[in-house]
Formats: sequence, structure tokens, C-alpha cells
Amino acid sequence: EADIYQTPRYLVIGTGKKITLECSQTMGHDKMYWYQQDPGMELHLIHYSYGVNSTEKGDLSSESTVSRIRTEHFPLTLESARPSHTSQYLCASSEYDRGPAETQYFGPGTRLLVL
Amino acid sequence: AQKITQTQPGMFVQEKEAVTLDCTYDTSDQSYGLFWYKQPSSGEMIFLIYQGSYDEQNATEGRYSLNFQKARKSANLVISASQLGDSAMYFCAMREGRYNFNKFYFGSGTKLNVKP
Repeated sequence: EADIYQTPRYLVIGTGKKITLECSQTMGHDKMYWYQQDPGMELHLIHYSYGVNSTEKGDLSSESTVSRIRTEHFPLTLESARPSHTSQYLCASSEYDRGPAETQYFGPGTRLLVL
Repeated sequence: AQKITQTQPGMFVQEKEAVTLDCTYDTSDQSYGLFWYKQPSSGEMIFLIYQGSYDEQNATEGRYSLNFQKARKSANLVISASQLGDSAMYFCAMREGRYNFNKFYFGSGTKLNVKP
């Protein structure tokens, strides 16, 4: 069973505020990901990391930034939230070097509403 | 070209009946993995089942089975004896090849409604 946690689960915030979405996993996975998903729609990869001090941008351009200082922690930050950032953000992790069997395990998601 | 195609935006099934959710994929790799995830209205993505491209048997996990037809590049999910709790979005996904930087590709999802 996956042990990956996201906080907060829901966040309503005003335009211009700085926010950080937290993601932690206890599985010792090296690889972690952030996806953005509008309700009922497909997932879009916005950031990923292969390990500590490694971060890469995903397919969907995002104004957010990420950091990976510890293996278990992969926070996402928006410096100035806007209504266009309203979405669900899903964090995932996977074990390094599993080839095609590499399974991504997801956290419960954070639903962000920017007013 | 789309890597993963799910052609059924929405499906209805009667409780206790079986249902098949379609998924086709596109890859030139010989080694790849296929996955299905369930996303209830609460939002989390739940891993259901995995099929490797070299696996000769179709994967099964409880009431879930994956109908893998390699030549047709299809990986349909079969849910037997549907339950009301199966109502959710279902996503098909693929990971290509052997390299650690290879991406995960997701389909656009199928919304399944189980009717009592």
C-alpha cells in the first residue's frame, strides 16, 4: 500500500498569495512527480524529480516551482496565486530503476481554488 | 499521435454486471508496462492493475482483469460483478522502455457509472 501524503487537501486562497503544497512519501522512492488535473480531465505532468537536488519541468508549462532537498519531501510553490491556478494537484512517487514495471503511487491530491 | 487512447468518455453498467473499459496504446518499444488507475470523486488516484509487455498471461487482481491483446495494442480493463463503489473515473497509462527517464503516459479517462 502506498504511503504518500499531501497537505492541505483543500485550499481556498486569494489572488496574489504565496502558497506551498506539501507532498511526502515514506516508501523511500527516489522519483517524485507533480500533476495538475482539472475535474474529470486528464493528468498533466508539471514537475518531476529523480532524487535529491534533481528537479525537471514536465510537459505542461507551470508557474509553480519545486524543490527536493530530502528524498521523502517534494513541495510545490506558487509565488503569486491566480484564478487560472485553480485545479487539483496530484503528487506521485515511484521506485527508481524498475523499468517498464515502475508503478506510480499517488497521494490524495490538493484541490486549490484561487479567488 | 496519442500514446494512450480511451474512446469511451462515459459508461453505464448495471450493478453485478461485468463491464469492459477500452484502452489502446501506441509505442514502438518492445518493453513497456500498462497500468490502470481508478479515481473516485474524492480525487485520489488508486493503482489497480499492471501488465508487462512480455507477460504471457493477462493480469488479474480480484475483480479486475486486464485483457491484453498485444498485436492489436489494446489493454482493456474488465471489472466483473460491478459494485456501486466502482463508480469513478478510470485512467489507462503506459510506461515505455527500460530507461529511468521514460515518461508515464495517461489517457483521458472513462467515467464509469454503476446503476443499482
